[in-house]
Parts: sequence; C-alpha cells; structure tokens
Amino acid sequence: EAGVAQSPRYKIIEKRQSVAFWCNPISGHATLYWYQQILGQGPKLLIQFQNNGVVDDSQLPKDRFSAERLKGVDSTLKIQPAKLEDSAVYLCASSSPGLAGELFFGEGSRLTVL
Amino acid sequence: GESVGLHLPTLSVQEGDNSIINCAYSNSASDYFIWYKQESGKGPQFIIDIRSNMDKRQGQRVTVLLNKTVKHLSLQIAATQPGDSAVYFCAGGGDMRFGAGTRLTVKP
Repeated sequence: EAGVAQSPRYKIIEKRQSVAFWCNPISGHATLYWYQQILGQGPKLLIQFQNNGVVDDSQLPKDRFSAERLKGVDSTLKIQPAKLEDSAVYLCASSSPGLAGELFFGEGSRLTVL
Repeated sequence: GESVGLHLPTLSVQEGDNSIINCAYSNSASDYFIWYKQESGKGPQFIIDIRSNMDKRQGQRVTVLLNKTVKHLSLQIAATQPGDSAVYFCAGGGDMRFGAGTRLTVKP
C-alpha cells in the first residue's frame, strides 16, 4: 500500500515570497491533516479536512496560509507571503475511521525562509 | 502533553535497559491517545494507542499506561535498542494534538 506522498521535500525561499506544498493521502482515507513542525517542537495542527470539507482550521494563520482539498483527495497548502518564522517542516497525514484515528504521515516538506 | 514546548525533554538510556517516557494531557474529555515515534528526517510513525476506558495496553516491547486521575500517560519500552533512538510524542483528543515530545537516546 502506498503511503502519504508529499512534495517538494525541500524548499528554500526568501521572505515575502510564496510557496505551495502538495499532499496525496493514502487511497480511501477521508481525513487529511496538515501540521507545522518547527525544529525542536511537536507537530502543530494547522488544518483538518474530512473529505473536501474543513473540520478544524482554528490554528491556521489565515492572513497568509491557505489550504484546499477540492476533490476530497489530494490537498495543497499555500503560504503567501512567507515570513522567517514559517521555516519548519510541513507534515501531511491521513486517517481512516476504521483505524480508530491512527494518523499516517508523509515524510514532510522542509521549508527554509531566508 | 497538549501544549507545545520550547525544547524537547531528553532521556538517555543504556542499551538493554527499560525506558519510560511520560506525557501529561490537559483535556479531560480526550478519549483516545496515541504514541508516535519520529526518526530524524521522517514523519511520526504510530507505535501504540489506548482508549480512555483502559488503564494499560501492551504491544511488542511497548506498554502504554493511562492514569486519568492525574491526566498522565506513559510509554514503557522494554530492552531498549539503538533503533529506538528517536523523538516520541503523545497525541490525543479528537483533533489529534501533539505534545512537545521526548528525545530518547540509546547508548550502546
């Protein structure tokens, strides 16, 4: 079974530029999560989708971050404009109700903002 | 456990010893908890889970204990191996929020 796919793996941009990350969850997983993990910290939930609807985006900085999952499958997370403090690994995870909430994570996209 | 720390607590053990990693949570309504292991450069990986109606659950070399009275979880790893070196997180609640994590280092 293929795992959660993310791209790009690494991205370096200058502040005020924009960046987009892509995630393809495990086939059949209805729930998709985006997490931000700053070096030395635990993952912080940014947004949770159930199919193509948003369940929780309370911690998403909506002035600069946006995310969509238009067809209920893959998802894109965008940052515009980026700030230095956005440097982090952006993790995508998916889950299936039948697996009692266990999250399957991708390897993450490491963003460096200069 | 559900708040984000500024830096990771660390635990260093000798190979073959048992390890105990602790996690505190704040939301008493959380009914499900998971322990994850994160190796360098990878995403977190599921280790073991426990529901709030249980006090203890055992897996292969790992045991999770849940104390709802003091809102505390622990992960016990038996006969710790170098491959167990990683950062360990607890996560809980319906929104799967993560704790700050503990970095486990196993000395040969």
